[in-house]
Amino acid sequence: EAQVTQNPRYLITVTGKKLTVTCSQNMNHEYMSWYRQDPGLGLRQIYYSMNVEVTDKGDVPEGYKVSRKEKRNFPLILESPSPNQTSLYFCASSPETGQNTEAFFGQGTRLTVV
Amino acid sequence: GENVEQHPSTLSVQEGDSAVIKCTYSDSASNYFPWYKQELGKGPQLIIDIRSNVGEKKDQRIAVTLNKTAKHFSLHITETQPEDSAVYFCAASKGFQKLVFGTGTRLLVSP
Repeated sequence: EAQVTQNPRYLITVTGKKLTVTCSQNMNHEYMSWYRQDPGLGLRQIYYSMNVEVTDKGDVPEGYKVSRKEKRNFPLILESPSPNQTSLYFCASSPETGQNTEAFFGQGTRLTVV
Repeated sequence: GENVEQHPSTLSVQEGDSAVIKCTYSDSASNYFPWYKQELGKGPQLIIDIRSNVGEKKDQRIAVTLNKTAKHFSLHITETQPEDSAVYFCAASKGFQKLVFGTGTRLLVSP
């Protein structure tokens, strides 16, 4: 089944404790991205990747890191989480980088930082 | 940069009624306008999209219209059903998969 898989689905952590949210897609998509969803703000892009080893900042990158060592995986890293990073996170992938096409979203990761 | 405004934030309709959600965008270079539906506990899923060379697109009970001059686009759902209840997001893009989303509309369809 074609899908984007995020793990974990739920995570509660403490301020300053490094964490990684994994994202994997099995559709051989070139483009991958991370969004955060907050009430009243919609989805905002954190980072994106156009291909392996090519990543760039989105609209709200502060406090986050990403890597794209393999085409299928795009982990989101919070080196020192803070309470303002409490949010619902989505990973998405698209077949290609050029022409806009459908974005396929994962199920989401609800992160709480206390 | 691009800014997308979406209204209303909540919409309650009776089953069988029509629902309309409206979005405006700021960047005239935007040329791709998708709509996503997010059901409870799930990720957003594309339901329909329109490109700037088309004024209207329809898929069964849903349709999207685009007014490039006014920088407006709208989602129309006819004969609403309880399973249409969800949060709907509009988005705009000028390419390279860069999507800017609206703030979402929670649609509630009552039986």
